[in-house]
Amino acid sequence: EAGVVQSPRYKIIEKKQPVAFWCNPISGHNTLYWYLQNLGQGPELLIRYENEEAVDDSQLPKDRFSAERLKGVDSTLKIQPAELGDSAVYLCASSYTGGSGELFFGEGSRLTVL
Amino acid sequence: QKEVEQNSGPLSVPEGAIASLNCTYSDRGSQSFFWYRQYSGKSPELIMFIYSNGDKEDGRFTAQLNKASQYVSLLIRDSQPSDSATYLCAVISRGGSYIPTFGRGTSLIVHP
Repeated sequence: EAGVVQSPRYKIIEKKQPVAFWCNPISGHNTLYWYLQNLGQGPELLIRYENEEAVDDSQLPKDRFSAERLKGVDSTLKIQPAELGDSAVYLCASSYTGGSGELFFGEGSRLTVL
Repeated sequence: QKEVEQNSGPLSVPEGAIASLNCTYSDRGSQSFFWYRQYSGKSPELIMFIYSNGDKEDGRFTAQLNKASQYVSLLIRDSQPSDSATYLCAVISRGGSYIPTFGRGTSLIVHP
């Protein structure tokens, strides 16, 4: 069974540039999460999707971050414009249902903003 | 106060010893508890979950839950150098939209 796939693995951009991350969850998993992880910290939730509906996006900085999950499968997380403080690893995870707690993570996308 | 607290470590133990990792949580209504392992430069992977008070064993790993004291722990018996990683505690609270909240993780180093 294929795992959660994320791309790109690494991205280096200058501040004020846009960036986008893509995630393909495990087939059949209805719930998709985007987490942000800073060095030495645990993952922090940005947004959760149940199928194509964003059910918890209270931690997403909506002035610069946006996300979508068209057709309830793949998802894209966008930052525009990027700031220095956005440098982090962006983790996508999926689970069979919401509330499961048994999350399967992708390899992550490491963003460096110069 | 963070919802899920862990000592960042590092916790250093010799090979073959028991490693004990602890986690406390603030929401008394929390109902599901998870331990994830994260190797350096890799993503977290689930190793244990526990829902009821008491112990749950899986191979060399034992999760312990004490809801009255609001802590959950992970014991690793016969620690191996390959167990060296960061261990993340995650908690699902009833009032938190059932989304796992992670602690900062404890770094474990098992030295030969």
